[in-house]
Order: sequence, then C-alpha cells, then structure tokens
Amino acid sequence: EPEVTQTPSHQVTQMGQEVILRCVPISNHLYFYWYRQILGQKVEFLVSFYNNEISEKSEIFDDQFSVERPDGSNFTLKIRSTKLEDSAMYFCASGQGMDSPLHFGNGTRLTVT
Amino acid sequence: KQEVTQIPAALSVPEGENLVLNCSFTDSAIYNLQWFRQDPGKGLTSLLLIQSSQREQTSGRLNASLDKSSGRSTLYIAASQPGDSATYLCAVPDSNYQLIWGAGTKLIIKP
Repeated sequence: EPEVTQTPSHQVTQMGQEVILRCVPISNHLYFYWYRQILGQKVEFLVSFYNNEISEKSEIFDDQFSVERPDGSNFTLKIRSTKLEDSAMYFCASGQGMDSPLHFGNGTRLTVT
Repeated sequence: KQEVTQIPAALSVPEGENLVLNCSFTDSAIYNLQWFRQDPGKGLTSLLLIQSSQREQTSGRLNASLDKSSGRSTLYIAASQPGDSATYLCAVPDSNYQLIWGAGTKLIIKP
C-alpha cells in the first residue's frame, strides 16, 4: 500500500539555524498538509497546500515557516530561524479530498537546542 | 470553535476484553470524523473514517460509530490484543478542512 514518507526521522539543530523537513506524499493525492505535535500536547494544524499554493495556514505558521513543492513528488517544510519552542514532531499528510482519509507519514522529530 | 475531547485519557485492560473509546465534539456540523492510532514516537495511522451521513464503519475488530446530533463517536475494539496497545486519536475537520484533534486515549492491553 502506498504511504507518505518523511525524512529525516530525527533532526537536531541549534537555535537560529534553518531546517528543511522533507516529505513525499502519496503520488495520486492532491492535498498536502503539515501538522505538528509538541510533546504531551494535541496535534496542531500548520498549513495545507493545494494546486501548488497554500490554501490555509494557522497562526503557528508565521513568517519563519514556508512550504514548497519543488517537483512532482517532494513537499518540504522550511523553518528559517528555529526557536526552542519549535521542538516537536512534525507530520506530513496527504489526501485525495474531503471524502477520503488523510494519510500521515511517520513524522520528523525536531529538537532545537 | 470546534473542540474535541476524548475520554478516558488512559485505559488499561486485560487481553481479550472488548472495549470502547469515546470521542466528543462541540460542533455537530462535521463533514466526517476520523480515528487514528499512534504508536510511541511514531506516525499517525488512519483506522477508520466515518462520513457525516454514516452511522458506523467497521474494519476487522474495530467498529466506529457516529452520532452527530449528540456530538459523539465511539471506537469499539473487540477481543483486544497486546498489539492494540497505542494511543487512539479522533479528529474532525473544520470548515477549512483543518483537522481538529482530541488529546487521545492511551490504551494498554495487558497480556
């Protein structure tokens, strides 16, 4: 069964550094998402992406965040200048539409020191 | 603003028992509801999706029900096994199809 893949599984970075989290969504999906989960807290929506542009973003998704679909397969989340509070598990998800389930990757655990 | 609550926060039962996990939501105007499983340090695995027009969905030993009018969904797990130990999350999309999540129920099945 096709799956969403995320790399790396764990990223450690120093505060102020840029990080890029990578995702390969399921190939025939049209909708792409990033969510995050801070340890011990609920999963939170960051951004949705459709038709090569951001369709929705949350308050968390400020100017430090950006997303890109540089080619037909990859979907990336960039954090320009990481803060300690960006430490979390970041999940990529993809779907075919509102009637279909969202499929999630295994996540990237980002640790900012 | 939609809020999703899951009770209990944790549940420990002996192997073989049937069990029910609960999910409630404040705004009954939902499009669908999805149940996920999360293993420690791992991703989110979709278990079942119930459309707003449906009352229940079944997959193997799992059965999810939906009662929109009361703002509730249940996940029934039959004949529980140690491999079912995980955190179970429910989520509903808001009007922009952003998933609003419950905090999850941590399930432990004792051999």
